[in-house]
Amino acid sequence: SQQGEEDPQALSIQEGENATMNCSYKTSINNLQWYRQNSGRGLVHLILIRSNEREKHSGRLRVTLDTSKKSSSLLITASRAADTASYFCATAPYGNNRLAFGKGNQVVVIP
Amino acid sequence: DAGVIQSPRHEVTEMGQEVTLRCKPISGHNSLFWYRQTMMRGLELLIYFNNNVPIDDSGMPEDRFSAKMPNASFSTLKIQPSEPRDSAVYFCASSGTSGGGGQQYFGPGTRLTVT
Repeated sequence: SQQGEEDPQALSIQEGENATMNCSYKTSINNLQWYRQNSGRGLVHLILIRSNEREKHSGRLRVTLDTSKKSSSLLITASRAADTASYFCATAPYGNNRLAFGKGNQVVVIP
Repeated sequence: DAGVIQSPRHEVTEMGQEVTLRCKPISGHNSLFWYRQTMMRGLELLIYFNNNVPIDDSGMPEDRFSAKMPNASFSTLKIQPSEPRDSAVYFCASSGTSGGGGQQYFGPGTRLTVT
């Protein structure tokens, strides 16, 4: 089954800086989603981008999708200490309700 | 809405004991998912249900694991007998989309420790 793979695996930045994470996948998808997980908590949905979309914004989040390269990026602008978390990409294949999650990308924002 | 509710939040048990994890999905959602998360293997889908019917249980590790969804508002994941390698955080998630991979809403998880 396909699986999103995030890159880089860990990122440490200063508050106010931008954080960029990438995700690659292997097969055709219906959509791609990004989730955040704070330590000891469940995953929280951040944004969903459909296969026919190239870019999407939500607050300080910007997601791009390049289906020709089978890759996506998540940009968090003007990071805050509260953005410290693990970020997962998840791909949704056509005709299937399951999501394939990547291994996660740990982001630490230093105040 | 209270979101997805899971119980217990923490479970410590001895090897060989039966463990039952419980989940109440968001009202109106027709898809329910059970995941397991460990440092080594990441987040794994164990099984998911659409309209209370198991659709894909290919992620269930072995016969020691079983899951049921007797109605739209309740699901259980049972491990019998439990083993130390079952120690993990188990998440339940629900979705209002029956096809096409919609947004999933996760519960807080159950941290299981098998000694």
